[in-house]
Amino acid sequence: GAVVSQHPSRVICKSGTSVKIECRSLDFQATTMFWYRQFPKQSLMLMATSNEGSKATYEQGVEKDKFLINHASLTLSTLTVTSAHPEDSSFYICSANGGQGRYYGYTFGSGTRLTVV
Amino acid sequence: AQSVTQLDSQVPVFEEAPVELRCNYSSSVSVYLFWYVQYPNQGLQLLLKYLSGSTLVKGINGFEAEFNKSQTSFHLRKPSVHISDTAEYFCAVSDGETSGSRLTFGEGTQLTVNP
Repeated sequence: GAVVSQHPSRVICKSGTSVKIECRSLDFQATTMFWYRQFPKQSLMLMATSNEGSKATYEQGVEKDKFLINHASLTLSTLTVTSAHPEDSSFYICSANGGQGRYYGYTFGSGTRLTVV
Repeated sequence: AQSVTQLDSQVPVFEEAPVELRCNYSSSVSVYLFWYVQYPNQGLQLLLKYLSGSTLVKGINGFEAEFNKSQTSFHLRKPSVHISDTAEYFCAVSDGETSGSRLTFGEGTQLTVNP
């Protein structure tokens, strides 16, 4: 089945530094990947749609200069949290849709717990 | 526009009891529905999905769901739950059938199975 690998699973960084999160589709090509943010005890909030070879599409209210998304290949998308602050601490999850027809469906990475101190 | 409403934020049940987690949706386009489970500090795992065909969908871990178009519902059921089913469950609807189609999630239901 489709597998999405997300790395790192946990990261602690100092306020003001940048953190990069990687999302890889291991056994399928993902022209589109999605980045979500999840606060404790809440649902997933779509941050942006990452398109291979073009600019990401950000949801309203998401700072594109704060959350840089790069989708350089059909199997890799990255989210960089720039100049991180404690309020950026959250659980970030990526996903991709790797199927067509009856195999249509979204596969999620295992998530990244970001803590900014 | 589409939306998903999960009617119960928390569902406590005893082990081996049946459970139903309720989900209602609204969508102006063709409906593709999903149920996901999330364990603490992990990503989402697909339980089952409805794309077309039979309205009764069977998934992993003994779960099943029934698509009811007239009631715009997609409730998740399991006849006998285990302690290990304790987790957060999310219902979601897709706005299309392409790889770029977006998922809209419900607020989630915390299922707690007590011994």
